Amino acid sequence: ETGVTQSPTHLIKTRGQQVTLRCSSQSGHNTVSWYQQALGQGPQFIFQYYREEENGRGNFPPRFSGLQFPNYSSELNVNALELDDSALYLCASSSLVASADEQYFGPGTRLTVT
Amino acid sequence: DQQVKQNSPSLSVQEGRISILNCDYTNSMFDYFLWYKKYPAEGPTFLISISSIKDKNEDGRFTVFLNKSAKHLSLHIVPSQPGDSAVYFCAASSGNTGKLIFGQGTTLQVKP
Repeated sequence: ETGVTQSPTHLIKTRGQQVTLRCSSQSGHNTVSWYQQALGQGPQFIFQYYREEENGRGNFPPRFSGLQFPNYSSELNVNALELDDSALYLCASSSLVASADEQYFGPGTRLTVT
Repeated sequence: DQQVKQNSPSLSVQEGRISILNCDYTNSMFDYFLWYKKYPAEGPTFLISISSIKDKNEDGRFTVFLNKSAKHLSLHIVPSQPGDSAVYFCAASSGNTGKLIFGQGTTLQVKP
């Protein structure tokens, strides 16, 4: 059974650019949640996808968008990057929507916006 | 507005002693609480959880206590081991969903 994987590991972008981060969920999992962790802070919920549909969103602007594919892998897209978008982006997968403690996190993608 | 707060950024304890990590929350709709451990360059790992219908949950060396009237929970680690050194996050949700609200984290250092 493979765990949650994320790519790329690190990324440097310039303000105003667009970025796509990828997440492969754990085998058998159909729910993916994305979080943003700024330096010295806890992860902040961005949104969740369940069976290819958005299933809840945190307090993030529309330039943060996502997709989930039929194999349950997921993408996080951020348009018009701002300096404050620099953070560790974590995805987490689970087999059930209502199962917080069955959620497994990937190692994250470190995004730096200059 | 920080709905989940961990007011101690760091904690240092001696190996074999008890570690107590604290967490406060403000939203009375939260009914499920979790603790995660995070090592550098890894994602958070689930440690232990508690539902609001309970006031205590134990799993080996880890015990979580919930005081709903005070909107406070704590994680006790007994005995503490050097391998427990990590950042600990408490998190809360309404209805045990994957939409978690995290605290800022507490860095625990267990000295040999």
